[in-house]
Amino acid sequence: KAGVTQTPRYLIKTRGQQVTLSCSPISGHRSVSWYQQTPGQGLQFLFEYFSETQRNKGNFPGRFSGRQFSNSRSEMNVSTLELGDSALYLCASRSGLAGVTGELFFGEGSRLTVL
Amino acid sequence: GQQVMQIPQYQHVQEGEDFTTYCNSSTTLSNIQWYKQRPGGHPVFLIQLVKSGEVKKQKRLTFQFGEAKKNSSLHITATQTTDVGTYFCAGPRTETGANSKLTFGKGITLSVRP
Repeated sequence: KAGVTQTPRYLIKTRGQQVTLSCSPISGHRSVSWYQQTPGQGLQFLFEYFSETQRNKGNFPGRFSGRQFSNSRSEMNVSTLELGDSALYLCASRSGLAGVTGELFFGEGSRLTVL
Repeated sequence: GQQVMQIPQYQHVQEGEDFTTYCNSSTTLSNIQWYKQRPGGHPVFLIQLVKSGEVKKQKRLTFQFGEAKKNSSLHITATQTTDVGTYFCAGPRTETGANSKLTFGKGITLSVRP
């Protein structure tokens, strides 16, 4: 069974640009969550999607957005990039129903560097 | 809002020593999960504890959920260099009934001297 796949793995952008990251969950998993990981702040929850609906949202500005497609694949977008957006963006999928906590399966992440 | 705290953030041990770390929540948790992230890797699920006072073992790792379900511990017996990594605890947010959002502690990074 293939794991969670994230693309691209590494990318470099400049301030003001926008970026789109992609996540393909484990087959059969309908929930996809996104986390931002930085050395200072640790793992911070961005949002979770289940069956194409955003179920939860973290405390990030509106520049951070996401969506989920009917095949459960998800994308997140960051517009007007700032230096502080440099981070490892992790996608995680799980099989449980919305509202039920279950084991998260993380992808290897997309390392974003903003110059 | 709910906070999950792990202190300290770094710990260094000699190979063969035992290691214990703790995770504390500001609110009662319905369950707690532990993850391990190796250097350069991604978090990998280790265990989930659900019941008050629950204890689970995985080889040299022992996990415990506090009686009040507000804290948890991870104990590693006779550490090995393969134990190196960052250990995160995570608990679900329950204020709004949306149990699916996990709040992660900042993690403890364990280094092991051979």
